[in-house]
Amino acid sequence: GAVVSQHPSRVICKSGTSVKIECRSLDFQATTMFWYRQFPKQSLMLMATSNEGSKATYEQGVEKDKFLINHASLTLSTLTVTSAHPEDSSFYICSAPTGLERGGYTFGSGTRLTVV
Amino acid sequence: ELKVEQNPLFLSMQEGKNYTIYCNYSTTSDRLYWYRQDPGKSLESLFVLLSNGAVKQEGRLMASLDTKARLSTLHITAAVHDLSATYFCAGQETSGSRLTFGEGTQLTVNP
Repeated sequence: GAVVSQHPSRVICKSGTSVKIECRSLDFQATTMFWYRQFPKQSLMLMATSNEGSKATYEQGVEKDKFLINHASLTLSTLTVTSAHPEDSSFYICSAPTGLERGGYTFGSGTRLTVV
Repeated sequence: ELKVEQNPLFLSMQEGKNYTIYCNYSTTSDRLYWYRQDPGKSLESLFVLLSNGAVKQEGRLMASLDTKARLSTLHITAAVHDLSATYFCAGQETSGSRLTFGEGTQLTVNP
């Protein structure tokens, strides 16, 4: 139980285009979704926290106009990387809190974004 | 603000040997988590430690928590190649809040 489905798993896009990443909670309601970015050989860094029906909270240094987060329903949160640049190439992972019996948090499978 | 530090960051060990990964955190953490990450993959939950003195074991891995020392350990017993991965610890200040991750320990188990 407590599965978060993340799509796409890999995407290659041209500089200047936008890419949308979706995370869907399949068997529970995710009122909160955390979005992380992970560069190669590094740890996960929290980018923003989205809450259903309200504006996302962004971490310091993360451009909210560049990384658009929408959490319009209890089962879907999206991250859109707008006007992507090569330095945005990274591994993006979403995560939602779940009950302790489910490990406390469940993570999406991640999206490998490559901007060329 | 919670800070989490792991050591070592890189660990190369032989099969059959034992070793421990350490995770120190800076302020009170409601819970302590351990995750495994294989290359190109997302995180796999290993352990959730809730209280001082908590110890959990799964196969060759055992995790413990000392809240007074603000220290958690992940002990590997008789390592096998399949344990090669990156291991992260993470803390959270309050239930349901954001996780703060350590830098990760890249473990390589050599035959």
